[in-house]
Amino acid sequence: QVTLKESGPALVKPTQTLTLTCTLSGFSLSTTAMRVSWIRQPPGKALEWLARIDWDDNKFYSTSLKTRLTISKDTSKNQVVLTMTNVDPVDTATYYCARIAPGMGYGMDVWGRGTTVTVSS
Amino acid sequence: DIVMTQSPLSLPVTPGEPASISCRSSQSLLHNYNGQYYLEWYVQKPGQSPQLLIYLGYNRASGVPDRFSGSASATDFTLKISRMEAEDVGVYYCMQSLQTVFTFGQGTKLEIK
Repeated sequence: QVTLKESGPALVKPTQTLTLTCTLSGFSLSTTAMRVSWIRQPPGKALEWLARIDWDDNKFYSTSLKTRLTISKDTSKNQVVLTMTNVDPVDTATYYCARIAPGMGYGMDVWGRGTTVTVSS
Repeated sequence: DIVMTQSPLSLPVTPGEPASISCRSSQSLLHNYNGQYYLEWYVQKPGQSPQLLIYLGYNRASGVPDRFSGSASATDFTLKISRMEAEDVGVYYCMQSLQTVFTFGQGTKLEIK
């Protein structure tokens, strides 16, 4: 069974660095054409795509957030890590990771349940 | 970045009736080399994570009922539900994946009339 599970701090102070981990199960990011994206959703608002990492370690970022985001993978641990520097209360959101598997374009076919992050002093 | 614009933002539909959601992109989503439309549809049901409905413009994802269909042209995309059911309530998002920076529409809230 393919699953993704997000983890990280529930509360972060403004200006701190947020580190989120996505633990993969049932598939490997070392498989050709496998990819993982991060997406977030502020309370009551729309989805916002943040970043993507591919099996070959190519990385892509949201234009508006690219100076603050870093995505990485640890294939041996089956994890994808997203760091966001200098967080602000507007970064309060539920953060999701999702798989992009070969054969469906870039459709994100399996999503985690999300982890809620609040940025507040 | 490509801007995605959905309409309507809210759509009340009577059970058994059809529903249609429109999504327009600021640039063509047709891939020059493979002729595919890089447009996906997702639904986020209340209290749940989003789930993939349609990929590459009009292909249903695994397990999606055939009452859902997608149509595509260069910049205009439509998600249709042939007969609304109570379980279809949720917020529907289109997303373009032609560019390496993906972008979502604002979402359309589909509800029971």
